[in-house]
Amino acid sequence: AQSVTQLDSHVSVSEGTPVLLRCNYSSSYSPSLFWYVQHPNKGLQLLLKYTSAATLVKGINGFEAEFKKSETSFHLTKPSAHMSDAAEYFCVVNNAGNMLTFGGGTRLMVKP
Amino acid sequence: EPEVTQTPSHQVTQMGQEVILRCVPISNHLYFYWYRQILGQKVEFLVSFYNNEISEKSEIFDDQFSVERPDGSNFTLKIRSTKLEDSAMYFCASSEETGRGPKGYGYTFGSGTRLTVV
Repeated sequence: AQSVTQLDSHVSVSEGTPVLLRCNYSSSYSPSLFWYVQHPNKGLQLLLKYTSAATLVKGINGFEAEFKKSETSFHLTKPSAHMSDAAEYFCVVNNAGNMLTFGGGTRLMVKP
Repeated sequence: EPEVTQTPSHQVTQMGQEVILRCVPISNHLYFYWYRQILGQKVEFLVSFYNNEISEKSEIFDDQFSVERPDGSNFTLKIRSTKLEDSAMYFCASSEETGRGPKGYGYTFGSGTRLTVV
């Protein structure tokens, strides 16, 4: 069975400071991992994905994530937050087959 | 950039009524999915569809639910007799191949349909 835990339901940062959204997963196999972002009244947009290539994955809008197998983590980072980054972020695992398993989401708030 | 389109964006229905949620996946995609998110809960997998048949479904996807690709472009989710607990945001998604395929395309999601059962 696969599961995803997002360790923080809410994260608040000031504009221009680094962002860290934490994600741990459990998986029986070598998983594919994704981060999706959801802005209010919008769909789920793919930020980045890990599919057993490079462990440091770069995504859109300056985000990146590092796959650490020994820690079963896939934390999302960005060096400098922008007001437009305020949204809900989902860590997602695809273990086998077509089913995605979502984490509970982290709401990122960016203060001016 | 190609999009997955869902209609309507909001739907209110009375308990016991049938609803059909509609989705237009990306045109060259082969795999189609429905997910839902009950308010305050995680996004949950409902069903995947490939080659005109269901390839996987979750425990949530009981006999009250059905999916169809009636005309080669639309992908629909029907709830036969809605219950209060069916109130949720329903997301349609599509992918060119499985998310775990060699190219790892991931899935493109629509903006969702917010279903409210009263």
